[in-house]
Amino acid sequence: SQKIEQNSEALNIQEGKTATLTCNYTNYSPAYLQWYRQDPGRGPVFLLLIRENEKEKRKERLKVTFDTTLKQSLFHITASQPADSATYLCALGSSNTGKLIFGQGTTLQVKP
Amino acid sequence: ETGVTQSPTHLIKTRGQQVTLRCSSQSGHNTVSWYQQALGQGPQFIFQYYREEENGRGNFPPRFSGLQFPNYSSELNVNALELDDSALYLCASTYAGHTGELFFGEGSRLTVL
Repeated sequence: SQKIEQNSEALNIQEGKTATLTCNYTNYSPAYLQWYRQDPGRGPVFLLLIRENEKEKRKERLKVTFDTTLKQSLFHITASQPADSATYLCALGSSNTGKLIFGQGTTLQVKP
Repeated sequence: ETGVTQSPTHLIKTRGQQVTLRCSSQSGHNTVSWYQQALGQGPQFIFQYYREEENGRGNFPPRFSGLQFPNYSSELNVNALELDDSALYLCASTYAGHTGELFFGEGSRLTVL
C-alpha cells in the first residue's frame, strides 16, 4: 500500500540555522508533491508545490527538492526564525483533483 | 486567510449520534474535499465533490456522506458516531483542473464520548 514517512521525531534547531525536513514515500508515483505548514489547532497552509519533472523549487527562504528515483523530497528553511516553529506536512498527488495523501508531519521548533 | 470557513469550530457528541459539519468555500472553487485528521497524524482523505457530485472517496465507510451546494458551500455528515471518529475535520477547496494548492479551512474539532 502507499506509504509516506516524515521524520517522526520533532526537529529542534537554533535560530539562524537551516532546517531540513525529509519526506519519503513508497508504492506511489506522484505527479506532484506539496508542502504545507500547520499551526496547532489550525488548518494546513500551502507553502510549495513541485512537479515530478522538477528537481528543485525555491520561494524566499524555502527550498524543496524532489528525487523520484530515491522517492524522496527534502524541505529546507534557511535562516530559520522562531516564527517558523510549526508542523510541516508533505502531501502527494497524482491527478488534478483535491485528493492528496499526507504524511504524518514533522514538528519543527526553532529556539532563539 | 484562505477564504474557507467551517462551522462549528468545536462540538461534542456521544456514540451513536449523528453530526453535520459545514463548509463555505471560496467563490469560484467548484471542488471541495473533506479530510479527517486524528491527533498527531496527517490529514486523511474522506471524499471529494465536484459540481455537486461525489467524484472520489477514501477508505471511509458509507456512514460518512456529503453534499455540495451551488453556492460553494458543502456538508459532511457522519452517522452512528464511534469513539474513533473523534478528530479534526478539514474542508479544502480548489477548482477542477488546478494541480495547485488546496485552500483549507480551520477545521471542526469533533469529540465523541
